[in-house]
Amino acid sequence: AQSVSQHNHHVILSEAASLELGCNYSYGGTVNLFWYVQYPGQHLQLLLKYFSGDPLVKGIKGFEAEFIKSKFSFNLRKPSVQWSDTAEYFCAVMPDQTGANNLFFGTGTRLTVIP
Amino acid sequence: EAGVAQSPRYKIIEKRQSVAFWCNPISGHATLYWYQQILGQGPKLLIQFQNNGVVDDSQLPKDRFSAERLKGVDSTLKIQPAKLEDSAVYLCASSPRTRETQYFGPGTRLLVL
Repeated sequence: AQSVSQHNHHVILSEAASLELGCNYSYGGTVNLFWYVQYPGQHLQLLLKYFSGDPLVKGIKGFEAEFIKSKFSFNLRKPSVQWSDTAEYFCAVMPDQTGANNLFFGTGTRLTVIP
Repeated sequence: EAGVAQSPRYKIIEKRQSVAFWCNPISGHATLYWYQQILGQGPKLLIQFQNNGVVDDSQLPKDRFSAERLKGVDSTLKIQPAKLEDSAVYLCASSPRTRETQYFGPGTRLLVL
């Protein structure tokens, strides 16, 4: 069965620190990859996505993620976090197959940025 | 562009009672999804509709959960009877077509006592 692992459950950083959140998945075929963010009191929003092409994907608010196929990873990065980045971050994988397009989510990583 | 709408936002019921959630997807989106998110976990797909047909309901506990999307637009998810373990946030999402980005609503937080 497909699974998505986010090893960091809670990350605490000071403003201006660099961020890297890990995401690994188990699926042998082609995948589409996503990072969603949920700010306090708000709904899940798309941060960035990878379907094909350049494995380095840039998203909103200065975030980027790199797809490394050989490592089954799609880590999220930001060079300098802000207090407003405090949120929960979810990695999600969609196996690229005909028919249903299930999104398989990780358990999420809570990021707290200290001013 | 209006986002995915859900109601109610919160619901508290006792076990063995029934409850229904409503979702209105983004206009023109053919595909609609219901997810269950238990505290401390990521969302898990319950059912996917393409227009008014079910594409995948393999994770839906069909003995107590049901869902419909009669006119290919709005959808309702029902639980009858509810169990304590059904306490979760129920998320609705929509996408223009299958295998495209999914957009999520605010969710309905259910507490079963």
